[in-house]
Amino acid sequence: EAGVAQSPRYKIIEKRQSVAFWCNPISGHATLYWYQQILGQGPKLLIQFQNNGVVDDSQLPKDRFSAERLKGVDSTLKIQPAKLEDSAVYLCASSPTLLWPQYFGPGTRLLVL
Amino acid sequence: GQQLNQSPQSMFIQEGEDVSMNCTSSSIFNTWLWYKQEPGEGPVLLIALYKAGELTSNGRLTAQFGITRKDSFLNISASIPSDVGIYFCAGQLGNYGQNFVFGPGTRLSVLP
Repeated sequence: EAGVAQSPRYKIIEKRQSVAFWCNPISGHATLYWYQQILGQGPKLLIQFQNNGVVDDSQLPKDRFSAERLKGVDSTLKIQPAKLEDSAVYLCASSPTLLWPQYFGPGTRLLVL
Repeated sequence: GQQLNQSPQSMFIQEGEDVSMNCTSSSIFNTWLWYKQEPGEGPVLLIALYKAGELTSNGRLTAQFGITRKDSFLNISASIPSDVGIYFCAGQLGNYGQNFVFGPGTRLSVLP
């Protein structure tokens, strides 16, 4: 079974630029999560989807971050405009349903200069 | 927001030794999960716990869901070099699969 796929693996941008990350969850997984992991810290949940609906986005900085999962499969996370403090690893995870453990992708490493 | 505390923050052990680490919170959790993360990779699920008092093993790993539902521990027996990594606990607060929180991690180093 293929795992969670993420792209790109690395991204370097300048502050105030825009960036987008893509995630393809494990086939058949209804729940998809985006996490931000700052160096030396645990992952912090940004947004959680169940199919194409949002379950939890309480920690998403909505003034600059947005995410969508239009067809209930792939998802895109966007940052516009980026700030220096957005430098982190952005992890995507998926699970079969809301109450199952999550399986993570390899992450996208973002460096904002 | 909700906080999970993990201890120890880091540990250095000799190969073959047993390891114990724990995770505590002031909040009651419905699910406890333990993950391991290696450099450049996403966290990998080790053990999932769903009931207070539950004790679950996965090979050399054993984890327990605390009776108060505010803590969990992970034990690794007979450590080997490939056990090196960061171990995260994660808890789920919501009743409907929402509100996941991760701890800050325990960094494990195994000396040959």
